[in-house]
Amino acid sequence: AQSVTQPDIHITVSEGASLELRCNYSYGATPYLFWYVQSPGQGLQLLLKYFSGDTLVQGIKGFEAEFKRSQSSFNLRKPSVHWSDAAEYFCAVGAFGNEKLTFGTGTRLTIIP
Amino acid sequence: DGGITQSPKYLFRKEGQNVTLSCEQNLNHDAMYWYRQDPGQGLRLIYYSQIVNDFQKGDIAEGYSVSREKKESFPLTVTSAQKNPTAFYLCASSTQGIYEQYFGPGTRLTVT
Repeated sequence: AQSVTQPDIHITVSEGASLELRCNYSYGATPYLFWYVQSPGQGLQLLLKYFSGDTLVQGIKGFEAEFKRSQSSFNLRKPSVHWSDAAEYFCAVGAFGNEKLTFGTGTRLTIIP
Repeated sequence: DGGITQSPKYLFRKEGQNVTLSCEQNLNHDAMYWYRQDPGQGLRLIYYSQIVNDFQKGDIAEGYSVSREKKESFPLTVTSAQKNPTAFYLCASSTQGIYEQYFGPGTRLTVT
Protein backbone atom coordinates (compact mmCIF):
# COMPACT_ATOMS: atom_id res chain seq x y z
CA ALA A 1 0.00 0.00 0.00
CA GLN A 2 1.17 3.49 -0.71
CA SER A 3 1.71 6.01 2.08
CA VAL A 4 2.96 9.54 2.55
CA THR A 5 4.70 11.10 5.54
CA GLN A 6 5.02 14.81 6.14
CA PRO A 7 7.20 14.93 9.23
CA ASP A 8 6.69 18.62 9.99
CA ILE A 9 3.27 19.51 11.37
CA HIS A 10 3.97 23.24 11.58
CA ILE A 11 6.77 25.40 10.18
CA THR A 12 7.39 29.10 10.79
CA VAL A 13 9.47 31.08 8.32
CA SER A 14 10.33 34.75 8.05
CA GLU A 15 9.07 36.60 5.01
CA GLY A 16 11.77 36.59 2.34
CA ALA A 17 13.48 33.51 3.72
CA SER A 18 13.77 30.22 1.85
CA LEU A 19 11.42 27.32 2.48
CA GLU A 20 11.64 23.56 2.29
CA LEU A 21 8.74 21.29 3.20
CA ARG A 22 9.51 17.61 3.52
CA CYS A 23 7.58 14.71 2.03
CA ASN A 24 8.52 11.04 2.15
CA TYR A 25 6.53 8.38 0.35
CA SER A 26 6.32 4.63 0.40
CA TYR A 27 5.44 2.83 -2.79
CA GLY A 28 6.90 -0.15 -4.61
CA ALA A 29 6.72 1.14 -8.16
CA THR A 30 7.35 4.54 -9.67
CA PRO A 31 5.05 6.94 -7.90
CA TYR A 32 3.15 9.90 -9.17
CA LEU A 33 3.72 12.75 -6.72
CA PHE A 34 1.83 15.94 -6.06
CA TRP A 35 1.92 19.00 -3.86
CA TYR A 36 -1.28 20.84 -3.03
CA VAL A 37 -1.90 24.03 -1.06
CA GLN A 38 -4.96 24.85 1.03
CA SER A 39 -5.92 28.23 2.45
CA PRO A 40 -8.11 28.17 5.58
CA GLY A 41 -11.64 27.01 4.84
CA GLN A 42 -10.92 26.48 1.16
CA GLY A 43 -10.39 23.58 -1.21
CA LEU A 44 -7.00 22.30 -2.36
CA GLN A 45 -5.09 23.81 -5.25
CA LEU A 46 -2.50 21.84 -7.19
CA LEU A 47 0.97 23.41 -6.96
CA LEU A 48 2.96 20.90 -9.00
CA LYS A 49 3.20 17.27 -10.00
CA TYR A 50 5.82 14.67 -10.92
CA PHE A 51 5.10 11.74 -13.21
CA SER A 52 8.43 10.97 -14.85
CA GLY A 53 11.42 12.59 -16.50
CA ASP A 54 13.24 15.56 -15.02
CA THR A 55 13.36 15.11 -11.27
CA LEU A 56 13.17 18.84 -10.60
CA VAL A 57 9.68 20.11 -11.33
CA GLN A 58 8.48 23.68 -11.40
CA GLY A 59 5.04 24.68 -10.24
CA ILE A 60 2.88 27.70 -9.77
CA LYS A 61 3.56 30.58 -7.38
CA GLY A 62 7.33 30.11 -7.63
CA PHE A 63 7.41 26.66 -6.00
CA GLU A 64 9.55 23.74 -7.11
CA ALA A 65 10.04 20.19 -5.91
CA GLU A 66 12.70 17.57 -6.39
CA PHE A 67 12.05 13.85 -6.68
CA LYS A 68 14.79 11.77 -5.07
CA ARG A 69 14.13 8.08 -5.60
CA SER A 70 17.03 6.97 -3.39
CA GLN A 71 15.56 8.88 -0.46
CA SER A 72 11.89 8.28 -1.32
CA SER A 73 11.39 12.01 -1.02
CA PHE A 74 9.63 14.80 -2.87
CA ASN A 75 10.44 17.98 -0.98
CA LEU A 76 8.83 21.30 -1.83
CA ARG A 77 10.99 24.42 -2.00
CA LYS A 78 10.66 28.13 -2.54
CA PRO A 79 13.63 30.51 -2.56
CA SER A 80 11.82 33.45 -0.96
CA VAL A 81 8.44 33.20 0.76
CA HIS A 82 5.75 35.86 0.76
CA TRP A 83 3.15 36.47 3.45
CA SER A 84 0.53 35.11 1.04
CA ASP A 85 2.22 31.69 1.13
CA ALA A 86 0.87 31.09 4.63
CA ALA A 87 -1.37 28.04 4.22
CA GLU A 88 -1.42 24.28 4.69
CA TYR A 89 0.53 22.15 2.27
CA PHE A 90 -0.25 18.56 1.39
CA CYS A 91 1.88 16.01 -0.38
CA ALA A 92 0.10 13.19 -2.21
CA VAL A 93 1.14 9.99 -3.98
CA GLY A 94 -0.58 8.02 -6.71
CA ALA A 95 0.40 5.36 -9.20
CA PHE A 96 -0.19 4.30 -12.77
CA GLY A 97 -3.51 2.50 -13.10
CA ASN A 98 -4.69 3.64 -9.69
CA GLU A 99 -6.86 6.73 -9.76
CA LYS A 100 -6.80 7.11 -5.98
CA LEU A 101 -4.36 9.44 -4.27
CA THR A 102 -2.99 9.03 -0.77
CA PHE A 103 -2.45 12.29 1.10
CA GLY A 104 -0.06 13.19 3.87
CA THR A 105 -1.34 14.83 7.03
CA GLY A 106 -0.18 18.26 5.92
CA THR A 107 2.28 20.93 7.03
CA ARG A 108 0.96 24.25 8.22
CA LEU A 109 3.16 27.16 7.16
CA THR A 110 3.22 30.40 9.14
CA ILE A 111 5.02 33.46 7.79
CA ILE A 112 6.35 36.07 10.21
CA PRO A 113 7.30 39.62 9.19
CA ASP B 1 -15.54 28.87 -16.09
CA GLY B 2 -15.00 25.15 -15.54
CA GLY B 3 -14.83 23.90 -12.02
CA ILE B 4 -16.31 22.03 -9.11
CA THR B 5 -19.17 23.40 -7.07
CA GLN B 6 -20.01 22.28 -3.57
CA SER B 7 -23.03 23.54 -1.76
CA PRO B 8 -23.75 24.75 0.77
CA LYS B 9 -20.50 26.07 2.24
CA TYR B 10 -21.78 25.63 5.80
CA LEU B 11 -24.35 23.09 6.91
CA PHE B 12 -25.82 22.54 10.34
CA ARG B 13 -27.85 19.50 11.37
CA LYS B 14 -29.19 17.88 14.47
CA GLU B 15 -27.90 14.51 15.53
CA GLY B 16 -29.92 11.66 14.06
CA GLN B 17 -30.73 13.42 10.79
CA ASN B 18 -29.40 12.39 7.42
CA VAL B 19 -27.89 15.18 5.34
CA THR B 20 -26.86 15.32 1.68
CA LEU B 21 -23.90 17.32 0.43
CA SER B 22 -23.91 18.43 -3.18
CA CYS B 23 -20.99 18.18 -5.62
CA GLU B 24 -21.24 19.22 -9.27
CA GLN B 25 -18.49 19.50 -11.87
CA ASN B 26 -18.50 20.89 -15.42
CA LEU B 27 -14.97 19.73 -16.27
CA ASN B 28 -16.25 16.65 -18.11
CA HIS B 29 -14.21 14.51 -15.74
CA ASP B 30 -14.92 10.82 -15.45
CA ALA B 31 -13.87 10.23 -11.85
CA MET B 32 -15.17 11.92 -8.71
CA TYR B 33 -14.16 11.60 -5.08
CA TRP B 34 -15.32 12.50 -1.61
CA TYR B 35 -12.86 13.21 1.18
CA ARG B 36 -13.25 14.03 4.82
CA GLN B 37 -10.78 16.40 6.46
CA ASP B 38 -10.23 16.63 10.19
CA PRO B 39 -7.51 18.71 11.88
CA GLY B 40 -4.18 16.89 11.89
CA GLN B 41 -5.46 13.94 9.87
CA GLY B 42 -5.10 15.10 6.31
CA LEU B 43 -7.63 13.93 3.74
CA ARG B 44 -9.32 10.56 4.07
CA LEU B 45 -11.15 9.02 1.15
CA ILE B 46 -14.83 8.23 1.73
CA TYR B 47 -16.09 7.10 -1.68
CA TYR B 48 -15.04 7.42 -5.27
CA SER B 49 -16.62 6.83 -8.65
CA GLN B 50 -14.81 6.27 -11.94
CA ILE B 51 -17.90 5.99 -14.11
CA VAL B 52 -21.61 6.75 -13.99
CA ASN B 53 -23.69 4.27 -11.97
CA ASP B 54 -20.62 2.76 -10.33
CA PHE B 55 -18.75 3.70 -7.15
CA GLN B 56 -16.38 2.15 -4.64
CA LYS B 57 -15.84 2.52 -0.93
CA GLY B 58 -12.80 4.37 0.25
CA ASP B 59 -11.05 4.07 3.57
CA ILE B 60 -13.82 5.45 5.77
CA ALA B 61 -17.13 4.65 4.02
CA GLU B 62 -19.09 3.55 7.09
CA GLY B 63 -22.02 5.86 7.78
CA TYR B 64 -21.92 7.45 4.32
CA SER B 65 -23.65 6.76 1.02
CA VAL B 66 -23.30 8.14 -2.51
CA SER B 67 -24.92 7.97 -5.92
CA ARG B 68 -23.61 8.69 -9.42
CA GLU B 69 -26.59 9.00 -11.74
CA LYS B 70 -25.01 11.70 -13.88
CA LYS B 71 -21.41 12.31 -14.89
CA GLU B 72 -21.55 15.84 -13.50
CA SER B 73 -22.95 15.03 -10.08
CA PHE B 74 -21.78 12.97 -7.09
CA PRO B 75 -23.84 13.73 -3.97
CA LEU B 76 -22.76 12.43 -0.57
CA THR B 77 -25.27 11.52 2.15
CA VAL B 78 -24.06 11.55 5.72
CA THR B 79 -26.36 9.18 7.55
CA SER B 80 -27.30 9.03 11.20
CA ALA B 81 -25.05 5.95 11.45
CA GLN B 82 -21.93 8.10 11.07
CA LYS B 83 -20.69 8.41 14.64
CA ASN B 84 -18.75 11.64 14.31
CA PRO B 85 -20.02 13.52 11.24
CA THR B 86 -18.78 17.02 12.09
CA ALA B 87 -15.96 17.70 9.62
CA PHE B 88 -14.92 19.52 6.47
CA TYR B 89 -15.94 17.60 3.34
CA LEU B 90 -14.13 17.98 0.04
CA CYS B 91 -15.20 16.79 -3.38
CA ALA B 92 -12.70 16.28 -6.18
CA SER B 93 -12.63 15.08 -9.77
CA SER B 94 -10.12 13.81 -12.28
CA THR B 95 -10.12 12.49 -15.82
CA GLN B 96 -8.91 9.08 -16.92
CA GLY B 97 -5.18 8.87 -17.39
CA ILE B 98 -4.64 12.26 -15.78
CA TYR B 99 -4.01 11.58 -12.16
CA GLU B 100 -4.15 15.00 -10.58
CA GLN B 101 -7.39 15.76 -8.83
CA TYR B 102 -9.19 19.07 -8.86
CA PHE B 103 -11.00 20.11 -5.71
CA GLY B 104 -14.14 21.98 -4.87
CA PRO B 105 -14.28 24.65 -2.15
CA GLY B 106 -15.60 22.25 0.50
CA THR B 107 -18.60 22.04 2.82
CA ARG B 108 -18.23 22.37 6.57
CA LEU B 109 -20.79 20.18 8.29
CA THR B 110 -21.61 20.69 11.95
CA VAL B 111 -23.84 18.20 13.72
CA THR B 112 -25.05 18.96 17.23
